[in-house]
Amino acid sequence: QKEVEQDPGPLSVPEGAIVSLNCTYSNSAFQYFMWYRQYSRKGPELLMYTYSSGNKEDGRFTAQVDKSSKYISLFIRDSQPSDSATYLCAMSAGSNTGKLIFGQGTTLQVKP
Amino acid sequence: EPEVTQTPSHQVTQMGQEVILRCVPISNHLYFYWYRQILGQKVEFLVSFYNNEISEKSEIFDDQFSVERPDGSNFTLKIRSTKLEDSAMYFCASSERQGLLEQYFGPGTRLTVT
Repeated sequence: QKEVEQDPGPLSVPEGAIVSLNCTYSNSAFQYFMWYRQYSRKGPELLMYTYSSGNKEDGRFTAQVDKSSKYISLFIRDSQPSDSATYLCAMSAGSNTGKLIFGQGTTLQVKP
Repeated sequence: EPEVTQTPSHQVTQMGQEVILRCVPISNHLYFYWYRQILGQKVEFLVSFYNNEISEKSEIFDDQFSVERPDGSNFTLKIRSTKLEDSAMYFCASSERQGLLEQYFGPGTRLTVT
């Protein structure tokens, strides 16, 4: 079983739709969860991070972590064409290591 | 807004040559990282660096690779005797403290080994 799994998509939605992006993981030691956005041939840009289980909201973005199910989600409300990018989930076991384990990335296209 | 910068943006080298990829982390950050992304694959951790020492390295980071902070601003990744399979995007990242949260990535260096 892969350590972090993420459906690569592509996912195509109309402008204004609610987008749900998900990752599952197998390592129960992961405590820190991040979402990055990556435009083509650019570096990953940190969108959100959460610690342990729960929800976190930032503008149109909501991150959810369910550690009991080893499942994390990123919701994008009122999606815009500028949200078209690849979304990467990343995880870390704890503060004694900076090592991030990334998912494959989901390619999102928001059509006007 | 402070950002991580990397040079060059694209490096082409012949197999067997040595390359040095350069990064300038965000100025008040103390922890530095290199990741790579082979085309179509996941971003993979290579190495983390703090206080002039390697904190952690992956199994990819073998004797072919080395890192250095030659001065107060630069952080470099040296790849010796490059192989075709070293062709990838190499990303530098930095964070204010270890662990996590808020690792800021540079735009990457595309390395092409011919």
